[in-house]
Amino acid sequence: QSALTQPPSVSGSPGQTVTISCSGTSDDVSAYYYVSWYRQNPGKAPKLIIHDVTKRPSGVPDRFSASKSGNRASLTISGLRAEDEGDYYCCSYAGTYTWIFGGGTKLTVL
Amino acid sequence: QVQLQESGPGLVKPSETLSLSCTVSGDSISSYYWSWIRQPPGKELEWIGYIYSSGNTNYKRSLKSRVTISMDMSKNQFSLNLTSVTAADSAVYYCARGWFGGFNVWGQGTTVTVSS
Repeated sequence: QSALTQPPSVSGSPGQTVTISCSGTSDDVSAYYYVSWYRQNPGKAPKLIIHDVTKRPSGVPDRFSASKSGNRASLTISGLRAEDEGDYYCCSYAGTYTWIFGGGTKLTVL
Repeated sequence: QVQLQESGPGLVKPSETLSLSCTVSGDSISSYYWSWIRQPPGKELEWIGYIYSSGNTNYKRSLKSRVTISMDMSKNQFSLNLTSVTAADSAVYYCARGWFGGFNVWGQGTTVTVSS
C-alpha cells in the first residue's frame, strides 16, 4: 500500500493563499470521509489541524480549510503567515482499521 | 489535558526486538483508538498499528508479521513490540490517540536507532 501522493513542496508570500493536494485511491481517500491533515515543525510531533475531511479542532484558525473530491483531498491555507511554515501531512482511513499517510509537503513562506 | 509519553530503549541491536510503551495521562485508554506511528529520519509518517480497549488490533500489512501491540489497562499504557529489527526500523516512534477521522493527541516521540 503506497503512501498518499502530496507535492514535495509549496510556497507562498505572506497574505497569499496556498493549497496542498493529497491524492489517494478508491481504497482510501475516495472510499471514506476520514481524511485528516497535520502540521509538523522540525523536531516536534505532528499536530492535527483538520479531521474528518473538513473539521477544524478547537484552536486552529479558520484560515485553514479542507475538502475532498473523489480520490483527491486538499488543504487550503489563506492569509499565509510566517508561523504556517512546516511540513504538512495528509492521512486517510484505508478500511479494515488501517490508516495511510501522505509523503508530506514542505510549506515555505517567502 | 490528555498527554502521551513514549518510553523504551533508544538503541536496539539488529535482529532483536524493539519494545516501547506509551503511558496515557488525563484520559482512560478504555476509549478511542490508540496507534503507533513512526517516522524514519527525513522521511514521511508511517502508521504501524492500533489497539482498541476491546483488545482488537490491526497492523500495517507490510509489518504484520513482526508487530504486536498490547495494552495494560491497570497502568493505562499500551505497548509496541517489533521483532527482527533492521536499520530500516530506525525512526522516531510516536504513540497517538485517535479515531477513524484523525489522530488528535500525540506523544512527543522517542528516537530508536537500530545498530550493533
